[in-house]
Amino acid sequence: EAAVTQSPRNKVAVTGGKVTLSCNQTNNHNNMYWYRQDTGHGLRLIHYSYGAGSTEKGDIPDGYKASRPSQENFSLILELATPSQTSVYFCASGAGINYAEQFFGPGTRLTVL
Amino acid sequence: GEQVEQRPPHLSVPEGDSAVIICTYTDSATAYFYWYKQEPGAGLQLLMSVFSNVDRKEEQGLTVLLNKKDKQLSLNLTAAHPGDSAVYFCAVNPGYQNFYFGKGTSLTVIP
Repeated sequence: EAAVTQSPRNKVAVTGGKVTLSCNQTNNHNNMYWYRQDTGHGLRLIHYSYGAGSTEKGDIPDGYKASRPSQENFSLILELATPSQTSVYFCASGAGINYAEQFFGPGTRLTVL
Repeated sequence: GEQVEQRPPHLSVPEGDSAVIICTYTDSATAYFYWYKQEPGAGLQLLMSVFSNVDRKEEQGLTVLLNKKDKQLSLNLTAAHPGDSAVYFCAVNPGYQNFYFGKGTSLTVIP
């Protein structure tokens, strides 16, 4: 059973529209992360969370909000989507221990027209 | 903050040959190192993790070398086969649970 799932897997949005990407993990991990992946940039951290109710800014938070309503769920919100936010978005979870690896979801491909 | 450089960005090797991917990092205090594999349309799958007290680790045809003096991490796929074709990422963790990723290496194994 996949431990980190994302929805939707593909999304087309219009400029100025609101987009919500959802992530669910069954690992019971404290930490969750949102990355975007772009050619030439690798993975860049947008927001992360240490547990329910917590959200922290990553390296590129501008234009994004995050919400962690429960241990299992972590959402990424684009209030006013722009074409520059066209990308593949990955969610990950981690145990919150220093050495713990991160486990990734399958990704969401977002296109903003 | 930590910076990670990964090379080469693209690599093609004949089936049966070895493939070597190298990452360099900047923070000498970084303690935890990872290699991930990404197949087309999928998320990142952990291949191997290495802690800073280890210089060499081998698992299932993969060898990871850690040179702390030069702040260099390498992945060696011995006897590569077409199923190894994917994008490989190194990641480092300075110890506060946030990862820094290399930009990836697209490996093609030619039958």
